[in-house]
Amino acid sequence: AQSVAQPEDQVNVAEGNPLTVKCTYSVSGNPYLFWYVQYPNRGLQFLLKYITGDNLVKGSYGFEAEFNKSQTSFHLKKPSALVSDSALYFCAVKTGFQKLVFGTGTRLLVSP
Amino acid sequence: NAGVTQTPKFRVLKTGQSMTLLCAQDMNHEYMYWYRQDPGMGLRLIHYSVGEGTTAKGEVPDGYNVSRLKKQNFLLGLESAAPSQTSVYFCASSYSGESYQPQHFGDGTRLSIL
Repeated sequence: AQSVAQPEDQVNVAEGNPLTVKCTYSVSGNPYLFWYVQYPNRGLQFLLKYITGDNLVKGSYGFEAEFNKSQTSFHLKKPSALVSDSALYFCAVKTGFQKLVFGTGTRLLVSP
Repeated sequence: NAGVTQTPKFRVLKTGQSMTLLCAQDMNHEYMYWYRQDPGMGLRLIHYSVGEGTTAKGEVPDGYNVSRLKKQNFLLGLESAAPSQTSVYFCASSYSGESYQPQHFGDGTRLSIL
């Protein structure tokens, strides 16, 4: 069965510092990996995805994610955090025509 | 661009009452989904549809029914609401079921069952 783990409930970072939000996955087969962001009282917004090819994927709002097959990880990164990046972030995985499976989410708090 | 629109945005029900949540998408997507979001549990799939006139059960389908009479609309029904169904409900759609297709989400319906 597919599963996704986001080991940190919350990540705190100061504005201007780099940020990392962690995600590990477990699938049988080749994974398709996604990151979504949720702002208060809003739905999830698609940030980026990994299908195949380069392990470093670039997405919206300056975010990027690194796919590591040997560590089964897909960590979300940004070189310089903004206060406006504060939100709830979800990692998700899918294989083939299986349904999308979400992690439990990580709250990112960026302090001024 | 409207994208995925959910109505209503908020609702309070009494135990045993029924209601229908409406989801509409204007992107001509084939696949539509209903999720519920509960604290610390991420999103869980309730039901989904792979096209007009089709529906299928997801991870937590009990207590819910769905219909997809038109391609652009996906309805979620609660026949007899229970306090355990207090949650935030999200509708999503995707162009197809291909793995690389991202899902597009509405802003949610916040439902409280008293």
